Amino acid sequence: QVQLIQSGAEGKKPGASVKVSCKASGYNISTHYMHWVRQAPGQGFEWMGIMNPSGGNPRYAQKFQGRITMTTETSTSTVYMELTGLESEDTAIYYCARGYGIGCHLCIHNWLDSWGQGTLVTVSS
Amino acid sequence: DIQMTQSPSSLSASVGDRVIITCRASQGIATYLAWYQQKPGKAPNLLIYGASTLQSGVPSRFSGSQSGTAFTLTISSLQPEDVATYYCQKYDRAPFTFGPGTKVDIK
Repeated sequence: QVQLIQSGAEGKKPGASVKVSCKASGYNISTHYMHWVRQAPGQGFEWMGIMNPSGGNPRYAQKFQGRITMTTETSTSTVYMELTGLESEDTAIYYCARGYGIGCHLCIHNWLDSWGQGTLVTVSS
Repeated sequence: DIQMTQSPSSLSASVGDRVIITCRASQGIATYLAWYQQKPGKAPNLLIYGASTLQSGVPSRFSGSQSGTAFTLTISSLQPEDVATYYCQKYDRAPFTFGPGTKVDIK
């Protein structure tokens, strides 16, 4: 079955960067988009961006433009999300999630059908 | 960007009650609307996509409907295991914005 396994919790100082990994199994990573979503403590979800693991330019939410990078290592079916210039407001659980659509590969209209377990990133001095 | 709102923000109902959660888009998004359930300390779980299509394995007491830019998630008979926060999300185009969530608990 589809599984997304994320890297472990991270503690960072303000101004630092964090890189979270998400290893996919149970399907061909090249056939579906991957999203990154975060959830601050006690808050709702914030969509961060979407990437095509096969290549091409990711689409980032305006809020994160300039300090987020999403990349893929297809040989290991792993996607990465790096966020730079961390602030305390970036303290959150970060999730990767597969974008799925019916009857197409890399469907433009895709919902999040499988999620990683989440990675807690804590930013504190 | 299109904004997503949800109402109510929280509700308390008895076991067996019918529960209705509403999500509204500030502009048309056709049927590109999904619903997710998140239990405390867990990752979200997809319930419905395409505004009204039940994800495989989701109990049939969950259903979704649409009227224009207003979408509803209905739990026909609330069960104790349905205690969770429910989120809608649009996926017509980026940004794939989520609603603020509706917390459901048992009275």
